[in-house]
Parts: sequence; C-alpha cells; structure tokens
Amino acid sequence: KQEVTQIPAALSVPEGENLVLNCSFTDSAIYNLQWFRQDPGKGLTSLLLIQSSQREQTSGRLNASLDKSSGRSTLYIAASQPGDSATYLCAVRDSGYALNFGKGTSLLVTP
Amino acid sequence: GAVVSQHPSWVICKSGTSVKIECRSLDFQATTMFWYRQFPKQSLMLMATSNEGSKATYEQGVEKDKFLINHASLTLSTLTVTSAHPEDSSFYICSAVKGAGGPDTQYFGPGTRLTVL
Repeated sequence: KQEVTQIPAALSVPEGENLVLNCSFTDSAIYNLQWFRQDPGKGLTSLLLIQSSQREQTSGRLNASLDKSSGRSTLYIAASQPGDSATYLCAVRDSGYALNFGKGTSLLVTP
Repeated sequence: GAVVSQHPSWVICKSGTSVKIECRSLDFQATTMFWYRQFPKQSLMLMATSNEGSKATYEQGVEKDKFLINHASLTLSTLTVTSAHPEDSSFYICSAVKGAGGPDTQYFGPGTRLTVL
C-alpha cells in the first residue's frame, strides 16, 4: 500500500522567504503526483500536477519537482506571502482514480 | 469551470441518529465521485468510490452498512452516516471526476464538518 509522508509537519517563516516542502512516497510506480492547498475548514485547491514522465511543473511562484525513482517531490514557494498560509497536501495517484494523501505541511507566513 | 458543492457544510447530531451529506457537481456530469474522511491533523483517507448507477466500492476497513452511498444521478452522490457515534465526527470531503476528462480532472467539494454528540 502506498504511503505518503510530508516533512515538515509545520513550518513558520517570515514574509519574503523562499521555502521548500517535502513529500516522499514508498511505491515509485506512480501515475502522477499533485500538490494541493487546504485552508482551515475548507476543501482542496489543486496547485500543481506532475505526470510520472515529467520532472517539474511551475505556476507563478510555485515550482514542484518530481524524482520518481527516489520517491520524492518538493514544492518550492518563492517570496512567500501571508496569503500563502495554509496546509499543503501532497497526493499520489498510483492506479485507478483515487489519490493517496500525505498528512500535509501546515505553513504560516508571518508579516 | 468545475464546481463541486457539499451540503450541509456542517452538522451537529445526537449519537444514534443518521446524517445525510450531499455532493453535487454543479456545472458538469460526474460518473465517478469519491468520498474522503479527514481527522484533525491527519491526511485525507479514501472511504469509497461512487459510480453512477452502480454500487459503491468501499475501501478496506470502511463499513458499507454504516456509510451508505448513493450515486443516483450524474450530478449527485450522497453519503449517509447511519447510527452515528462520536467517533464518526470528522471532516468529510467529496470529489468528482469531470466526465471523460480522466481521473486527473478531479474536483473537490468544500467539505462537511460532522460533529456527533
């Protein structure tokens, strides 16, 4: 069974810093990997989707990389802002439609 | 766009009662919907896969007689928590796959917070 781990569990940084969130998964035979954002008590917003054949995806200040062979992905956030404060979830799809989620990294960006 | 709604957004009920949660795809048809459960500071755990017109597929450890799923139309799936107990208190989130767009076009609802007293 696929297991997804996210490190760190929580992170607090001052505004303007660049930061990296980490995700690892145990079974490298994945179809794709997604990064989501979840605000308190809210649903999920998809940020970036990386297919298994891709190495990275970028959207604005966000960059996600994927090293399938080592079972790792990173989400890089540049020039962090207080509005980036949320929980970031990594999810892996290995077969079928369902996603395997990590526990998330809770990010707080202070002004 | 692709919008998924859930109703209610939060519900409080007494132990032993049943609660129905609706998941609707507002502007697209969804032959497949998923139900997830999220406990505080935990990851989303898939409970079941709901397919329109057929029985839901439950994940190991999820009681199908306790969590009844009905996907009667291409825009609506319902999750009924029967004889709810305090340990069922959780955040329930649904997602819907948009038509033939493939499983990557999966859109999530805003979630329903269930508190069982």
